[in-house]
Amino acid sequence: EVQLLESGGGLVQPGGSLRLSCAASGFTFSDYVMSWVRQAPGKGLEWVSAVSASGGGTFYADSVKGRFTISRDDSNSTLFLHMDSLRAEDTAIYYCAKDHWQWLLTGHFDLWGRGTLLTVSS
Amino acid sequence: EIVLTQSPGTLSLSPGERATLSCRASQSVGSNYLAWYQQKPGQAPRLLIYGASSRATGIPDRFSGRGSGTDFTLTINRLEPEDFAVYYCQHYGTSPFTFGPGTKVDIK
Repeated sequence: EVQLLESGGGLVQPGGSLRLSCAASGFTFSDYVMSWVRQAPGKGLEWVSAVSASGGGTFYADSVKGRFTISRDDSNSTLFLHMDSLRAEDTAIYYCAKDHWQWLLTGHFDLWGRGTLLTVSS
Repeated sequence: EIVLTQSPGTLSLSPGERATLSCRASQSVGSNYLAWYQQKPGQAPRLLIYGASSRATGIPDRFSGRGSGTDFTLTINRLEPEDFAVYYCQHYGTSPFTFGPGTKVDIK
């Protein structure tokens, strides 16, 4: 079955760190650009970060640049998001998302995980 | 950064009616790199339309998209009960990939 399964969310204090994971199955993970997209409670969608199919290129929204790091382990078909200096405004459901086209960074997504909730609060 | 505006904020319709959703960009969207997603409560978004007018795999033909430049439209013909949801447009192709604020289609 083609799917993405996020994990690692939880409650973190402001200023803390956390790493999210996304396990992929059912497709050739290494062939696709992968992204993280977040959604604050009751709000809209915000693209956070993307990593190229080779892993050599990373891209970030200004709101997380310098604090978040995206990476991938193609041997285990897993995507990561390491988050430092967390703020209350980072509270959201974090979705892992697969780019629609092989190899290309297009930035639109045809497969999404169910998401993992990060809450940043003291 | 391209800012997307969606209207209306909420659309109240009955099953069988047609829904017309609008998405306007703050600047021209290159190569019509505009996508539409559907999101139901408690679920992840689902890709409906890409390239402004191409339906994604498995999307019924009652969903159609059109537009170019800065003005785009998603039309849902003959609303089915499962179509009541929130719809987002998204600009892609050049990061940051921005989303509109969404249009909620609810049952009248």
